[in-house]
Amino acid sequence: LAKTTQPISMDSYEGQEVNITCSHNNIATNDYITWYQQFPSQGPRFIIQGYKTKVTNEVASLFIPADRKSSTLSLPRVSLSDTAVYYCLVGGREAGNNRKLIWGLGTSLAVNP
Amino acid sequence: EAGVAQSPRYKIIEKRQSVAFWCNPISGHATLYWYQQILGQGPKLLIQFQNNGVVDDSQLPKDRFSAERLKGVDSTLKIQPAKLEDSAVYLCASSRDRGSEYFGPGTRLTVL
Repeated sequence: LAKTTQPISMDSYEGQEVNITCSHNNIATNDYITWYQQFPSQGPRFIIQGYKTKVTNEVASLFIPADRKSSTLSLPRVSLSDTAVYYCLVGGREAGNNRKLIWGLGTSLAVNP
Repeated sequence: EAGVAQSPRYKIIEKRQSVAFWCNPISGHATLYWYQQILGQGPKLLIQFQNNGVVDDSQLPKDRFSAERLKGVDSTLKIQPAKLEDSAVYLCASSRDRGSEYFGPGTRLTVL
């Protein structure tokens, strides 16, 4: 079971870049790293997924060092609407796989005006 | 494409009563998940289906919870009888075989 550790909460201001780091020391060779965003009263929403190095999409970037024991979600120029809980998960992607993903408490990001 | 649909959105029952939740996944998604999310915590996987077969139900309290996915599409999750500690949001998610999970809006259950 791949367990992750994230900061419980973070504060930022509009227009700043926010970096949330997740620790996953016992990541397995075939595990991917996935980040989700959750607003109050909504289900989690997929943000980004990666295996190694750097992944970028229209919403965020994901930085993964060579040892893959941690990862950093980078949100460029946050706005008030980015206030949410961000979850880091580690697991496999095989079809029909029993992925045994464990959702932690996530990081509660508060973006201030 | 349409998202994952769940109903009802809210449900209030008394302890020892029964309740059922319904989920319609995204068309073409073979994998369906039910999660329980208690306030202030991350989601906890209850059961995972691949088509209409169960892949993982190790965290499903089988003495009171049951789930089925007939015909490999829609799914229902039932609690009978409910306890106070079952108060939570019940999330349904679906995914393609190798894809990320898409979540529905959830059903907020309050057990009095």
